[in-house]
Parts: sequence; C-alpha cells; structure tokens
Amino acid sequence: RKEVEQDPGPFNVPEGATVAFNCTYSNSASQSFFWYRQDCRKEPKLLMSVYSSGNEDGRFTAQLNRASQYISLLIRDSKLSDSATYLCVVRSNTGGFKTIFGAGTRLFVKA
Amino acid sequence: DGGITQSPKYLFRKEGQNVTLSCEQNLNHDAMYWYRQDPGQGLRLIYYSQIVNDFQKGDIAEGYSVSREKKESFPLTVTSAQKNPTAFYLCASSIGRDNEKLFFGSGTQLSVL
Repeated sequence: RKEVEQDPGPFNVPEGATVAFNCTYSNSASQSFFWYRQDCRKEPKLLMSVYSSGNEDGRFTAQLNRASQYISLLIRDSKLSDSATYLCVVRSNTGGFKTIFGAGTRLFVKA
Repeated sequence: DGGITQSPKYLFRKEGQNVTLSCEQNLNHDAMYWYRQDPGQGLRLIYYSQIVNDFQKGDIAEGYSVSREKKESFPLTVTSAQKNPTAFYLCASSIGRDNEKLFFGSGTQLSVL
C-alpha cells in the first residue's frame, strides 16, 4: 500500500462546477498535511495547508479526517485556470521528518 | 528576486555518460533537496542536505551523487550507474530540515538519447 494515495483522475468538469478530491495516508503518526498545485512540467506550488478544523481560502476548502486518515480538497466555481494536477502531501516525524508526496489528481476544467 | 534556479531546463544523456544538474538558491536556506518525478508517481527523494558539507541519502539515491560545498549550491550528478534516468528532476529548499514549507526550482527534464 502506498503511503499517500490519490485518485489519479483525470477529472473533467465544466466551468462553474464544484469538484472534490480525496487523499488517504497510511501513517497514523502523520502531523502536517498540504495540497500543492502543479502545472504540466512545472514545479509544484503550495496551494494550502490543511488544518484539523478545516480551512478555506476563497474557492478552495480543505478538510482533514484523522480518524479515517484522509484529507480532501473542494474547489467551488471551477475556473479554466484551475486545470492542473493537485498533489496531496503528508509530513510525519517518525525517526526524523519525512515528506511524502501523492502521485497527484489531474483536473481539466472545460469551457 | 529570491528563489531557486535550476539549469538546464532540458538535458540529454548518452549511454555511459555522467551528467550534472545545477541548483542554486539565494534564499539563505540551510536545507536543500533533490526529487525525481516520474509519470503517475509522486515525487521521490533522492538526496538532501541540511548544512554545508553534509548530505544524506533519500529513498532512491542509487546511481546519483551530490555535493554541498556552498550553502547556495546543491548540484546533482546522474551517473552511468543510473539505468533509468529519464525523469523530471526538481530541486527544493527550506529554511531548515524541520521546516515544512518547500520552495521548488522550475525543474530539469532529463532524457536518454
């Protein structure tokens, strides 16, 4: 089992749609959680951190469920510019800090 | 502007050849990292360095070597021992190893001729 698993997609949605991605992680001792955005053949960029209480940044909402060991990202009112790959990132401190990247979920937003 | 610069953007390697990917940062970060990205897979850690003149193997260090002679620079050499080098290579840095936020360079696509 991979340490961080994501549905690879692709998700094809029309502009204005709401889309949600899930990510599961295997290490129950994981401490920090993030969503990164990566455009094709470019570097990943931090989209948002994920907090236990859930957090929102404009059209983006992130949730963490520690009991079930998954995090989610919700995008409302999708824009063409949201088309990208979204990487789930989990950080743990078991024998030293370790950052694990999921393989990513591809999103295509169509006009 | 502060940031991380990787070069070249595209690199081609012949059989049996060693090639070196450059990574320079002017963020005054102590920690630097090299990741490899293959299609359908997450980023995998090759090597990391917490301070000058010190570096540690990551999860897939075989066939690679690094040096950290200066705080700003962390070059990666892909040796001929790396039999499947074709991938997208990303360099990153953080204030310290324990710091969560990673800053990435724009990447180098390495292909085998």
